[in-house]
Amino acid sequence: QKEVEQDPGPLSVPEGAIVSLNCTYSNSAFQYFMWYRQYSRKGPELLMYTYSSGNKEDGRFTAQVDKSSKYISLFIRDSQPSDSATYLCAMIRSGGGADGLTFGKGTHLIIQP
Amino acid sequence: DTGVSQNPRHKITKRGQNVTFRCDPISEHNRLYWYRQTLGQGPEFLTYFQNEAQLEKSRLLSDRFSAERPKGSFSTLEIQRTEQGDSAMYLCASSLSVGANNSPLHFGNGTRLTVT
Repeated sequence: QKEVEQDPGPLSVPEGAIVSLNCTYSNSAFQYFMWYRQYSRKGPELLMYTYSSGNKEDGRFTAQVDKSSKYISLFIRDSQPSDSATYLCAMIRSGGGADGLTFGKGTHLIIQP
Repeated sequence: DTGVSQNPRHKITKRGQNVTFRCDPISEHNRLYWYRQTLGQGPEFLTYFQNEAQLEKSRLLSDRFSAERPKGSFSTLEIQRTEQGDSAMYLCASSLSVGANNSPLHFGNGTRLTVT
């Protein structure tokens, strides 16, 4: 079992829908959680960075962390075709060592106009 | 542009040749990381520097790989005697580490290596 599990998709939804992307993890030492968006042939772009359990909102994006269930989510409201990309979850162990940044495989999201 | 810059964007080389990639991090960031990403996978950690010191190397980093950050600013990643399995996107990232606090990593757009 990998430390971070993420469904690779593809996930295809119509424009305007609410999108839910998820990751599960097995190591309770993970304390910092990030979501990155990656367009084809580009580097990952940081979307959200959270530490504690609960919700964090930024515009159309909401990140949710449930440490008790070892489950994190990213919600996208009013989805746009420009949101079509691969979304990577990433997490760091407490202490912040570089080897602790572990990525999921990424979910390929397609927003249909 | 104040983001992480990587050069070249693409590199095609023949098996057995040496290649070198360059990364210029965000100027105030003291940490610099190298990752490798293959199709359909998330980035995998290779190595990182704090200022000019290389503090961590992954077991993925074979003896054919070497990274430097001589003045604590830009970094180079060299692959000697390239193999077809080295074909991947090589990503550089940087962050600011102060005490126990480490800012999130900011990535460049990568160098795509194709070994023929």
